[in-house]
Amino acid sequence: GQNIDQPTEMTATEGAIVQINCTYQTSGFNGLFWYQQHAGEAPTFLSYNVLDGLEEKGRFSSFLSRSKGYSYLLLKELQMKDSASYLCAVKDSNYQLIWGAGTKLIIKP
Amino acid sequence: GAVVSQHPSRVICKSGTSVKIECRSLDFQATTMFWYRQFPKQSLMLMATSNEGSKATYEQGVEKDKFLINHASLTLSTLTVTSAHPEDSSFYICSSSRSNTEAFFGQGTRLTVV
Repeated sequence: GQNIDQPTEMTATEGAIVQINCTYQTSGFNGLFWYQQHAGEAPTFLSYNVLDGLEEKGRFSSFLSRSKGYSYLLLKELQMKDSASYLCAVKDSNYQLIWGAGTKLIIKP
Repeated sequence: GAVVSQHPSRVICKSGTSVKIECRSLDFQATTMFWYRQFPKQSLMLMATSNEGSKATYEQGVEKDKFLINHASLTLSTLTVTSAHPEDSSFYICSSSRSNTEAFFGQGTRLTVV
């Protein structure tokens, strides 16, 4: 079956750095996505990786290793507004998004 | 950028009634739209894939006669929750994308059945 694993919850301090890991096993691979979702709102797109390596976008970076079925989202200079759930999703061979359960990130002052 | 608009954002209905949720792609033609449901503290669960001009494809365990999907045009897909019950209360979200790009989400609809 298809499976995406990410930690359920993480806690970090304002101003610090946090890395959220995601491992996947899917039928085919057509890209990995990271989304941010605040409670009661729709997910918003953060990053997209289809080739191995690091993609940097401001305070957020995302890394992919296709051979390892592994990705991480790195958040720097954490702000209180970064408190949210972070969802890892993979597009499979049918271009259908398979979602991880999400990682709830709690930022403490 | 591409925008997907979903309406209504919140709805409260009585048990046994039906509720229609609309999802529109505003600046691109969406041949496929995805309907998700999300219960509190859980991840997005795909309910069905809506294809323009043809029948929707439902995920296992989703009742097609209860969750009616219509995708009559390239810019509009609707989800109707028929004979709603309190256990149908949830957050419903639609999404679409252009081929191999990120998914764009509607704002979501918070359905409460009383």
